[in-house]
Amino acid sequence: NAGVTQTPKFRILKIGQSMTLQCTQDMNHNYMYWYRQDPGMGLKLIYYSVGAGITDKGEVPNGYNVSRSTTEDFPLRLELAAPSQTSVYFCASSRDLSGANVLTFGAGSRLTVL
Amino acid sequence: DAKTTQPNSMESNEEEPVHLPCNHSTISGTDYIHWYRQLPSQGPEYVIHGLTSNVNNRMASLAIAEDRKSSTLILHRATLRDAAVYYCILRDGRGGADGLTFGKGTHLIIQP
Repeated sequence: NAGVTQTPKFRILKIGQSMTLQCTQDMNHNYMYWYRQDPGMGLKLIYYSVGAGITDKGEVPNGYNVSRSTTEDFPLRLELAAPSQTSVYFCASSRDLSGANVLTFGAGSRLTVL
Repeated sequence: DAKTTQPNSMESNEEEPVHLPCNHSTISGTDYIHWYRQLPSQGPEYVIHGLTSNVNNRMASLAIAEDRKSSTLILHRATLRDAAVYYCILRDGRGGADGLTFGKGTHLIIQP
């Protein structure tokens, strides 16, 4: 059981380039999330999805786009990369949004924009 | 959106118990208290959660104050592998996207 899988693990981008961070979960969870974590800081929610075809903004959505065409996949797209997007990105999933439900996280994708 | 306050860092010795505090004075009656931890260079992992009563699992214990305004994560016998950042967050039992942001947490240092 793989849980939440993120690719790539590391990536270096030039300013203005675009890329997609991939996230796949095999737990049949309806809810998926993208976070970013800057050095020495906590995790901030970028976008989340409550099911295929439904997404919503989190705390820091600017500069990112998401889509959810299947239950398993929740890719995060960076358009026109900027140095401020240098961060570690974590994808997570949960069965639902109830207060008792727990999040399962991936191992992270470290992105550097130069 | 209820908030939590944790010490920035704590230090303990290997094989001793560790008590990690969390204050949440504005907690509502429907908020669950969750703890996650993040080992170096890894994603956060779930540790434990509770609503009103103390909880135990194979990883830790959660002690919740009677007025629910504070809680303590207890690691009964710390190992070097427990060195991590520990996050205390509140999740509304009624559901919703609130409480999905993690603060800086407590950096736990374990001395051999």
